[in-house]
Amino acid sequence: DTGVSQNPRHKITKRGQNVTFRCDPISEHNRLYWYRQTLGQGPEFLTYFQNEAQLEKSRLLSDRFSAERPKGSFSTLEIQRTEQGDSAMYLCASSYERWSEAFFGQGTRLTVV
Amino acid sequence: GDSVTQMEGPVTLSEEAFLTINCTYTATGYPSLFWYVQYPGEGLQLLLKATKADDKGSNKGFEATYRKETTSFHLEKGSVQVSDSAVYFCALNRGGADGLTFGKGTHLIIQP
Repeated sequence: DTGVSQNPRHKITKRGQNVTFRCDPISEHNRLYWYRQTLGQGPEFLTYFQNEAQLEKSRLLSDRFSAERPKGSFSTLEIQRTEQGDSAMYLCASSYERWSEAFFGQGTRLTVV
Repeated sequence: GDSVTQMEGPVTLSEEAFLTINCTYTATGYPSLFWYVQYPGEGLQLLLKATKADDKGSNKGFEATYRKETTSFHLEKGSVQVSDSAVYFCALNRGGADGLTFGKGTHLIIQP
């Protein structure tokens, strides 16, 4: 399977714990995006990487959110000190060119209890 | 800023009915336009795209035409099936660092 892969698919955590999600993009794509999707809404942009450089991070929801893409391949999204309002689907996408379509993974559904 | 507006759902149709889901956008420049589909519990799948004015994207019987004069990209299908039940998202890409801008989605329900 050469699509975008996200792990885990589901994560249940207690409030205050840290969580980390992983995304493996399509191998020839150098652009990688993270989005958040809440119930009944469209995906909301969080951050963007071109290769290993994080070129846009101003839309991360708070300083508890951080993302890395250390070697320009896979990426991780970490949420520290989780809150109930962080419960959502976190989507990763990759693309080949700046104007092109993005291909999405199946998402990680986070539930904070 | 950029925005995408879709008709609100749910949209409920009978099998074999004609489908239209309206989408209009606001953006500077000349964005690429997309329709994505999302099935329950899944990520988004690209349905079709158009990259310039008057282009028609098509896939699996769905079509949409990029209308710059009306800033619209309405999704149509001549005869829907139960398997088309899903949430449909209209999106644009202006080539910026924030990637795609999405509408809120339209939930489509097809009844047998």
